[in-house]
Amino acid sequence: GIQVEQSPPDLILQEGANSTLRCNFSDSVNNLQWFHQNPWGQLINLFYIPSGTKQNGRLSATTVATERYSLLYISSSQTTDSGVYFCAIRMNRDDKIIFGKGTRLHILP
Amino acid sequence: NAGVTQTPKFRVLKTGQSMTLLCAQDMNHEYMYWYRQDPGMGLRLIHYSVGEGTTAKGEVPDGYNVSRLKKQNFLLGLESAAPSQTSVYFCASSYRRGGEKTQYFGPGTRLLVL
Repeated sequence: GIQVEQSPPDLILQEGANSTLRCNFSDSVNNLQWFHQNPWGQLINLFYIPSGTKQNGRLSATTVATERYSLLYISSSQTTDSGVYFCAIRMNRDDKIIFGKGTRLHILP
Repeated sequence: NAGVTQTPKFRVLKTGQSMTLLCAQDMNHEYMYWYRQDPGMGLRLIHYSVGEGTTAKGEVPDGYNVSRLKKQNFLLGLESAAPSQTSVYFCASSYRRGGEKTQYFGPGTRLLVL
């Protein structure tokens, strides 16, 4: 089946640093989302980005569907950015959703 | 709007007991999903529904059943709970607008099976 791999698995940064999170997928998809799961377990939508680039404040995302990867950029990190970042893809043929295992981000004050 | 709500928030079961988790959404979404999340893992799809009266199996459907009798509700049933079903369960819903199917998640239900 389709594989979704995220890297790095863990990332520890000082407040103010920038970071790039990567999501690779093994098959063509028509839908990719990035989520943030905060330390209380809540899942928050960040981007719906099947292709192209989007920006929202300090966060931006780029998906290159032809090369089967997506990147999430976080600039000027804040402690509230801590948590787990997931990418999730939707398969073309049957609407099933596959999540990656996430990148755990720790922002130190 | 309340968005996506889940009932209950936390439950403890003994092995062999049954229970039903309720997911409700007030956004008139067509699609609804049930996931489980285990430590160190991403979310894994249990079952999903693309419309009222329809359901389909996800990645890990064994031991669970679902029903979507009303558009706004999606029920997840455990007929005979097992310790392996100890997990956090998330429900999500999404709409389709020009092909976009952004998912919105509920707060989760923590289930402990002893």
